[in-house]
Amino acid sequence: QLQLQESGPGLVKPSETLSLTCTVSGGSISSSYYWGWIRQPPGEGLEWIANIYHSGNTYYNPSLRSRVTISVDTSKKQFSLNLTSVTAADTAIYYCASTVGSYYAYWGRGTLVTVSS
Amino acid sequence: QSVLTQPPSVSGAPGQRVTISCTGSSSNTGAGYDVHWYQQLPGTAPKLLIYGNNNRPSGVPDRFSGSKSGTSASLAITGLQAEDEADYYCQSYAGSLSGWVFGGGTKLTVL
Repeated sequence: QLQLQESGPGLVKPSETLSLTCTVSGGSISSSYYWGWIRQPPGEGLEWIANIYHSGNTYYNPSLRSRVTISVDTSKKQFSLNLTSVTAADTAIYYCASTVGSYYAYWGRGTLVTVSS
Repeated sequence: QSVLTQPPSVSGAPGQRVTISCTGSSSNTGAGYDVHWYQQLPGTAPKLLIYGNNNRPSGVPDRFSGSKSGTSASLAITGLQAEDEADYYCQSYAGSLSGWVFGGGTKLTVL
């Protein structure tokens, strides 16, 4: 059973870069999944951020594309998210997840990132 | 503003049947892309409930069912139980440029 675990700072200052890592266990990161990030502001709904295929093909939410980079390190069984120039609007629970086809079959527990000085 | 439209809330008494709608457009659900549903219990990560419009993952009770027609999809829950009280999200795909899209979520209250 695939398991995912997010890690990274819980507090980021405005205008700085939010960086998160997702560690994959229980399966191969080189298998035919898309690895992705989804976020959920407090009390709000889910927002897709980005996906990456193990080959390195990337897909970004058009509304975040200019600030987001997703990458994968197959040797470490990890994939990462960088979000630049953060504001309070980027405060959210960030989930890493993996797709089977077009749906997210596996989710991490999520990590709360607060943007505040 | 979410790409897929869901009602903000629905409610029902124990044992009743409720449905949650999810409406997209010709760019996503209407383009033939599947609709998937997730259940999010309070304080937890979303969990896959229905995939490929009407398929249940192992372990999901058959009280949950999905359907899709054109640009719209529905999640039906029969024999409502207290533990079904949660937020429900639909999700689809909108092509390689727009990517994966979610509905705004529906809060189910069991009366």
